Amino acid sequence: QSVLTQPPSVSGAPGQRVTISCAGSSSNIGAGYDVHWYQQFPGSAPKVLISVNTNRPSGVPDRFSGSTSGTSASLAITGLQAEDEADYHCQSYDSSLSGWVFGGGTKLTVL
Amino acid sequence: QVQLQESGPGLVKPSETLSLTCAVSGHSFSAGHYWGWIRQPPGKGLEWIGQIYHTGSTHYNSALKSRVTMSVDTSKNQFSLKLNSVTAADTAMYFCVRRIRDGFTPFDFWGQGILVTVSS
Repeated sequence: QSVLTQPPSVSGAPGQRVTISCAGSSSNIGAGYDVHWYQQFPGSAPKVLISVNTNRPSGVPDRFSGSTSGTSASLAITGLQAEDEADYHCQSYDSSLSGWVFGGGTKLTVL
Repeated sequence: QVQLQESGPGLVKPSETLSLTCAVSGHSFSAGHYWGWIRQPPGKGLEWIGQIYHTGSTHYNSALKSRVTMSVDTSKNQFSLKLNSVTAADTAMYFCVRRIRDGFTPFDFWGQGILVTVSS
């Protein structure tokens, strides 16, 4: 069981908007620790998609955005494209565990 | 551009020790970065194993702490992972990673990963 909870899968049609949730607790996201999102294609290593809750590294389209609220975080993808089909992972720090924690990952399917 | 490359046996027998090395190119070990390991069992999520600083200072996942040892060889620009008493549950893709030493930054560079299977 992952410390952060993500839906196993989400889907959407091209052009639509989808969101991926990441539920945490008062010892991680709720404590104000930064949330990062990674995109992972099959057979490849994860890559930073959103850092420090809302920041997009250079090269990441502005269709991707992150937000946090209370003990949860969300990744939103607008104008869905076929190339967005991948696994998405959230990550934060947990003070109770004194370590970095991840969500279980969400598989995005573009219909 | 920083590049990380994992190496080691792809098959380890139960109860034995898993040993992996990560070679770092395009960056020298110095103050400012942590080097670590993350694993991903087949079809599952990511799990942070631990990290090491160039001084040798370590920070391990509490769930794995009793079985994990990390070391760094700055002269060879590489760092290593040892996980002892392995079981089938340790079968996973193992990634070596880098993180900037500044608060709670993301893992910004990843190796391609190496699949380690625990089986007799």
